[in-house]
Order: sequence, then structure tokens, then C-alpha cells
Amino acid sequence: QVQLQESGPGLVKPSETLSLTCTVSGGSISSYSWSWIRQPPGKGLEWIGYIYDSGSTNYNPSLKSRVTISIDTSKNQFSLKLSSVTAADTAVYYCARWDGYFQPWGQGTLVTVSS
Amino acid sequence: DIVMTQSPDSLAVSLGERATINCKSSQSVLFGSNRRNYLGWYQQKPGQPPKLLIYWASTRESGVPDRFSGSGSGTDFTLTISSLQAEDVAVYYCQQYYSTPYTFGQGTKLEIK
Repeated sequence: QVQLQESGPGLVKPSETLSLTCTVSGGSISSYSWSWIRQPPGKGLEWIGYIYDSGSTNYNPSLKSRVTISIDTSKNQFSLKLSSVTAADTAVYYCARWDGYFQPWGQGTLVTVSS
Repeated sequence: DIVMTQSPDSLAVSLGERATINCKSSQSVLFGSNRRNYLGWYQQKPGQPPKLLIYWASTRESGVPDRFSGSGSGTDFTLTISSLQAEDVAVYYCQQYYSTPYTFGQGTKLEIK
């Protein structure tokens, strides 16, 4: 059974870059596509982007200028970088396998943007 | 962007009774060539990630109890819980995957009356 686990700093300063990694276990990252979704505290869900195992990506236009998603098949990991963060980027960040719909999901990691 | 609007925002139902949550998309999510609706439903309990319940608008994910069902086509969809159990208290979201950016409804909070 595939499981996902997010990791990375829980606190990022304004204007800096948020960096998270999702480690996939229980199966290969290859032959599937993967995604990042976020949820501000007490609010709804926002799709950030997805990446194919080939490395091709698709990002939400609202974040496109600041987002980079990459994949490392040798480590069974994929990553998210979000630059020039502000307080509005404070959220729980989830990674998930993408088939159009999202399943399964990681447990999520709270990232707070604050000085 | 396709806007997903759920109704109601919150709902209180007695144990054993039926719960119905609606989701409307700002444009059709029915793909003509395969006649599939690109619509999913998720359940999110406090402190947990969302869990996929339904995909293709009406296909139940493996392991999901059969009291959960999805229906609808085009722009109007419904998630029905036929007999509410205590463990069904959660926030429910619909999501379209017809076109990017993929978008979610604002969520419906389901409680016990």
C-alpha cells in the first residue's frame, strides 16, 4: 500500500523560499503522477501543481511564477519549492498521488510564514 | 477556472437518517468522448488529510462503505450518505479534474443533530 510523507521546515521567513519533500513508500514513484495541494488553517483546498514521473509539470496559474515541482525517481521522492513567500502562504501542505483525483494523501505538514 | 459551489455550507442530520450534499460546477465536467464526469468527493476529518470517497462522480473508492453514493452529471452532483453514522462527522469536498487548475468546492460541514 502506497504511503506518502511530507518533510521540511515548519517555519519560513517572508520573502524566502519554502521547500518541502514528499517521500513515497510501499511502491515505486515511477509510472504514476504526483501532486501538491495546500490548505490554509480553517480554510479550503487549493491545488498547487502536478508532476509526471517523466518530469513534466503543470502548475496552478495563481502560483505558477513562484512554484517549482521536481522529482527524484532514484530516491522515490518529489519536491515543492515556493519562492517569495508571504503570510498568505501559511498552510498545511499535502502531497498526493494524482490520477486527476487525488489518492492517497500524505498526512500534511504545516508551514508558517513569519519573521 | 471552473468554480465549484457546494450546498449547504453546513448540515446537521440525525443518526441513521439520510444526508445529502450538493455540488455545482460553473461549467460542465462531462467529457464527451468517454461520457465520464470528472468529479470526485472527499471526506476530511479534523486533523486528517482528505480521503477520496467517490471518483468519476459515482464510482466508490475501494474500502468506502456502500452507504456513500455519488450521482449527477454535467454541472450538478450529489453525495448521499444513506444512513448517517457517528464516524461520518466530517467536512466533505467536491473536486473537478476536468481541466486545470483543478478546483475544490468550499466544503460542507456535516454534524450530528
